[in-house]
Amino acid sequence: AQKITQTQPGMFVQEKEAVTLDCTYDTSDQSYGLFWYKQPSSGEMIFLIYQGSYDEQNATEGRYSLNFQKARKSANLVISASQLGDSAMYFCAMDDYKLSFGAGTTVTVRA
Amino acid sequence: DTAVSQTPKYLVTQMGNDKSIKCEQNLGHDTMYWYKQDSKKFLKIMFSYNNKELIINETVPNRFSPKSPDKAHLNLHINSLELGDSAVYFCASSQGRGQDTQYFGPGTRLTVL
Repeated sequence: AQKITQTQPGMFVQEKEAVTLDCTYDTSDQSYGLFWYKQPSSGEMIFLIYQGSYDEQNATEGRYSLNFQKARKSANLVISASQLGDSAMYFCAMDDYKLSFGAGTTVTVRA
Repeated sequence: DTAVSQTPKYLVTQMGNDKSIKCEQNLGHDTMYWYKQDSKKFLKIMFSYNNKELIINETVPNRFSPKSPDKAHLNLHINSLELGDSAVYFCASSQGRGQDTQYFGPGTRLTVL
């Protein structure tokens, strides 16, 4: 069964606007970590943000924030004030005993 | 001052050959990983080592053999390469096991002809 689901294969966003990338996960563990990674066209995997399952506050890192809704098992990534350099593939991942990745969402920022 | 490095970046080889990919991290981390990213960009863990001990060994053909000579290095050796082995292989490292952020190397693009 798919542990991480990203339902948006691709998205377009206007420069300077905010974009929300959806992620839902499935685990029976109480302790787990949620991560978002960015993969630009150059291919490297860049860590963006982390949320622990026991963290009560949503994680933020600069223009990235993670909208964590534990009861709904969702961990959406919000990118504020999009920039052209944000164009990339974004992966949601969950670590319960190993890191499992979703299929990814491709974001294209338009000028 | 690269945190996680891999060599080579590109590897093109013939079916049936044996090849190795090397990974080194200078972050002082205890745990290292190998991932495979297929042509559809799906990422899947293959192996994980913690302090040179194998802790995750996913369902991977036994033609793939990881080797960790020390905490800072994790190499991947592949025997009898097949067309389906063509992919990008990523090495990663984390401080500990479980929920620690993993930092990825630049990837090695393997093409089997």
